[in-house]
Order: sequence, then structure tokens, then C-alpha cells
Amino acid sequence: KQEVTQIPAALSVPEGENLVLNCSFTDSAIYNLQWFRQDPGKGLTSLLLIQSSQREQTSGRLNASLDKSSGRSTLYIAASQPGDSATYLCAVKGAQKLVFGQGTRLTINP
Amino acid sequence: NAGVTQTPKFRVLKTGQSMTLLCAQDMNHEYMYWYRQDPGMGLRLIHYSVGEGTTAKGEVPDGYNVSRLKKQNFLLGLESAAPSQTSVYFCAGGASGRLDTQYFGPGTRLTVL
Repeated sequence: KQEVTQIPAALSVPEGENLVLNCSFTDSAIYNLQWFRQDPGKGLTSLLLIQSSQREQTSGRLNASLDKSSGRSTLYIAASQPGDSATYLCAVKGAQKLVFGQGTRLTINP
Repeated sequence: NAGVTQTPKFRVLKTGQSMTLLCAQDMNHEYMYWYRQDPGMGLRLIHYSVGEGTTAKGEVPDGYNVSRLKKQNFLLGLESAAPSQTSVYFCAGGASGRLDTQYFGPGTRLTVL
């Protein structure tokens, strides 16, 4: 059974810092790994999708990496802004389903 | 193009009452999913559908039933609500390919007293 773990559960940093969120998974037989953002009281929005054959994906200030052999992914956020405050969820995709981690609640302090 | 919508947004039930949550999508997704989100637990899959007329159990299906009579709609039913079903429920649509993500609705906050 696939299990996804995110560390830390919460993170608070001052504006402007670069930061890294971590995700680990137990079964390397995945189609892809995805990072989502969730704002309070809202649904999830897809940020980045890394195919199982890829090592990283970039979108603006966000960079996600994937090391399938070790079962790890990181989400790097450069030059953080208060608007980046949200919960970030990692999910791995099998044949039909996504399995989610518990999320990291990120607070960027002005 | 509304994407994925959910009805209602909020609901309070008494133990033993029944209700149906409606998910509708206009993105022609073949696959649809129902999740529940509880503090510290992430999203857990309740049931899903791989096409019109099909349903399958997810990780936490007990106490819930689903139907997918039309491709664009996916209904989640609680026949006899319990306090343990207090949660935020999310519907999503998507496809099965390696490049495919899921598109989420805004959620339904359900409280069972």
C-alpha cells in the first residue's frame, strides 16, 4: 500500500527566504508525482506535475524534484512572498488514483 | 466553463439523517473521485468512478454510497450519518494517463451532530 509522508507539518519563515518542502513515498511504481496548493476553505490547485521518468519541473519561483529510486520529492520555493502562505500537498499517482500526504502548512511572515 | 462544482457548500445533519452530495463537471472528465479531508489526515479517497455507470471503492468507503448515472455527475450518499462523518468533502475529476492531474471542486463542509 502506497504511503506518502510530508515533513514538516508546518513551517513559518520570513518573507524573501528560499525554502524547501519535503515529500516521501513508499512505492516507487508511480505514474507521476504532483504538488498541490490549498488555501483555507478552498479546494486544491495543481502546481507542478513530474512524470515518473523526469527529475524535475519548474514553474516560475517553484521547482519540484523527483528521486523515484529513493522515494523522495522536494518543492523549492524561491524568494518567498506572503501570498505563498497556504497548505502544500504532495500526491503520487498510480494507475487510477492519487495518494496524498498530510500536507505542509506554510506561513510567510511579512 | 464552471469546472468542478459541488452542492451544497455547507450542511449540518443530525445523527441518523441521510443526505446526498452532488458533484458536477463540465470538463468531460472520464474519471471522478470523492475524497474526505480531516485535520492531520490529508485527503482520503472514499469512492471513485472510471466512467459513466461505474463505481469503485477507495480507501474509506464504509458508510457511503455513490452513483454515476451521467458522465457529468457523481453523487455521494450518506444513508445514516454518524458524527465520524463530520469532515470536508471534495470531489475531483480527471483522467488516467501518466500526464493527467485532477481538478478539484471547492468542497462541502459537513457537520454531523
